Amino acid sequence: QSALTQPPSASGSPGQSVTISCTGTSSDVGGYNYVSWYQQHPGKAPKVIIYEVNKRPSGVPDRFSGSKSGNTASLTVSGLQAEDEADYYCTSYAGSNNGVFGTGTKVTVL
Amino acid sequence: QVQLLQSGAEVKKPGASVKVSCKASGYAFTYYFIHWVRQAPGQGLEWMGWINPNSGRTNFAQKFQGRVTMTKDASIRTAYMELSRLRSGDSAVYYCARELFYDSGKYYSPWNYAMDVWGQGTTVSVSS
Repeated sequence: QSALTQPPSASGSPGQSVTISCTGTSSDVGGYNYVSWYQQHPGKAPKVIIYEVNKRPSGVPDRFSGSKSGNTASLTVSGLQAEDEADYYCTSYAGSNNGVFGTGTKVTVL
Repeated sequence: QVQLLQSGAEVKKPGASVKVSCKASGYAFTYYFIHWVRQAPGQGLEWMGWINPNSGRTNFAQKFQGRVTMTKDASIRTAYMELSRLRSGDSAVYYCARELFYDSGKYYSPWNYAMDVWGQGTTVSVSS
């Protein structure tokens, strides 16, 4: 199972929006609505911020939103804040009770 | 509170095995899958497999099949991941994470929800 493809980096100024893509295939992202996004700060464990494509767990700000079109999922962070600077990973169900992570995107707040 | 507490750092020689534990507290242990995910230094997250703490059923990423074992001891609310035939490329931080399996009469399949609680990570270093 190959990793989902994410851009290595993305950036934006405070208050701006940034969108991260996550590209897979019809066997994973395109085939199921089980895409999640995780935020990871340096030296910390990941934290889920989006699940089932566009649902936010309790406590996650509504500045974070998810969507999917075909084989590509996207995470948008609106109203960028300094604390949003982190690594972001997508995941997708890939059939047969398996899943796959994305390659990861480092978001920099300028 | 809900947490997963992992065992401490390990240093191993190539060819050896390592066993990492993940002790759950604050929730019904058998109602959540336990996933194991690793992260090599400066690299991304890599899924290794999951165990159903209720049935003991496991499923592993193809890359680790034949080298990884996942077990559980529900009496002490602890899951284990053992990786054998270690090589330098196995040096990484290993995380356990839970995912909902059962809630209010409904059963979920793995990867159909989210890994909502993570352990603090266990650093495994493989060096001769």
